[in-house]
Amino acid sequence: AQTVTQSQPEMSVQEAETVTLSCTYDTSESDYYLFWYKQPPSRQMILVIRQEAYKQQNATENRFSVNFQKAAKSFSLKISDSQLGDAAMYFCAYRSGGAQKLVFGQGTRLTINP
Amino acid sequence: DVKVTQSSRYLVKRTGEKVFLECVQDMDHENMFWYRQDPGLGLRLIYFSYDVKMKEKGDIPEGYSVSREKKERFSLILESASTNQTSMYLCASSLGAGTGGGDEQFFGPGTRLTVL
Repeated sequence: AQTVTQSQPEMSVQEAETVTLSCTYDTSESDYYLFWYKQPPSRQMILVIRQEAYKQQNATENRFSVNFQKAAKSFSLKISDSQLGDAAMYFCAYRSGGAQKLVFGQGTRLTINP
Repeated sequence: DVKVTQSSRYLVKRTGEKVFLECVQDMDHENMFWYRQDPGLGLRLIYFSYDVKMKEKGDIPEGYSVSREKKERFSLILESASTNQTSMYLCASSLGAGTGGGDEQFFGPGTRLTVL
């Protein structure tokens, strides 16, 4: 079975700085997708960014980018120019190519210091 | 705008009660999911449904059942609530098979259930 591990329960960063959240996963599959979801306090979880395993290029969405290291099974999220609105729980998730369900990591709580 | 709604934000029940958690999506999505969120454990899949009246067990189905009589509605049922089912419950939906890779899940606001 696939597993996803987020080894940082909590992270903090100064506003306007850059922070990287770590995620590793374990799989024997070659066809899969990786995601970062954001859960703001008392608000609904939303998708931040996705990465297809077959793509070598790292995904980018505005201030959010990933460092996808397929051989190392690592999928970190970099947030540049951190803003107060980035404060949230961040979850890394994995989906097998032929499946619809997600496997989530434990989550990382990100605090932005003004 | 994409919308997933859950019937209650907060719920307090007694041990042994039968509990219904309702989820409705207005996006005509094929797939619907029920997760349980606990600190340090992330989200764990309880059940999911890929079509009306179709369901599959997730990773932690024990003590739960589900019902999907209509495409837009997915119910989670706790047949006899226990204190270890105190948790945050999240519902999600996604478009479904044939949409290609990276099928985004849209989440509801969650129901915080306390079982006394």
